[in-house]
Amino acid sequence: GQNIDQPTEMTATEGAIVQINCTYQTSGFNGLFWYQQHAGEAPTFLSYNVLDGLEEKGRFSSFLSRSKGYSYLLLKELQMKDSASYLCAVRDPYNDYKLSFGAGTTVTVRA
Amino acid sequence: DSGVTQTPKHLITATGQRVTLRCSPRSGDLSVYWYQQSLDQGLQFLIQYYNGEERAKGNILERFSAQQFPDLHSELNLSSLELGDSALYFCASSVLAGGSTDTQYFGPGTRLTVL
Repeated sequence: GQNIDQPTEMTATEGAIVQINCTYQTSGFNGLFWYQQHAGEAPTFLSYNVLDGLEEKGRFSSFLSRSKGYSYLLLKELQMKDSASYLCAVRDPYNDYKLSFGAGTTVTVRA
Repeated sequence: DSGVTQTPKHLITATGQRVTLRCSPRSGDLSVYWYQQSLDQGLQFLIQYYNGEERAKGNILERFSAQQFPDLHSELNLSSLELGDSALYFCASSVLAGGSTDTQYFGPGTRLTVL
């Protein structure tokens, strides 16, 4: 089966850094995705990791350790518009390459 | 704007009714995915079509069905609706069937309310 865990909520101050962790247990692994979702809107693609290490994209970075079944999304220089839910998703080749999503982490940025 | 379009944006109907949700993928994408998102369930995969053929199935109820047409747009049919079917329904599309770096891009969703 697929098991993807992330914290439910996090709060941080504008300008600060927040790290959202994601741990997964899946039958197989073929990539991990991070999506941002504002309330009532569509998830938007942020990053993709398939090899171990850090992928940096502007203020957002994502890290993967396949041996530990662990990823994190790092949001730097937080802005009010970063208040959203962040979804971790894993693709499993033993599960028809389907994406399994975590429940999401709601990040609230305070002034 | 992801390039994926969905209609209608909102749908209000009664229990026992049937509705059809429509999705047009991004230009060039061959795969269409349907997801259901309710407050207590998170984003749940329903079904995937690739180039007109069913490719993968998730926790889709027997009351629900989908198809992908030759022009690659897709429809999700929900019948004998129950109160618990109230949710956001998202369509996503990707270029391939799902391997390697294939990334899914989501449409704006259809908010279904069953009264």
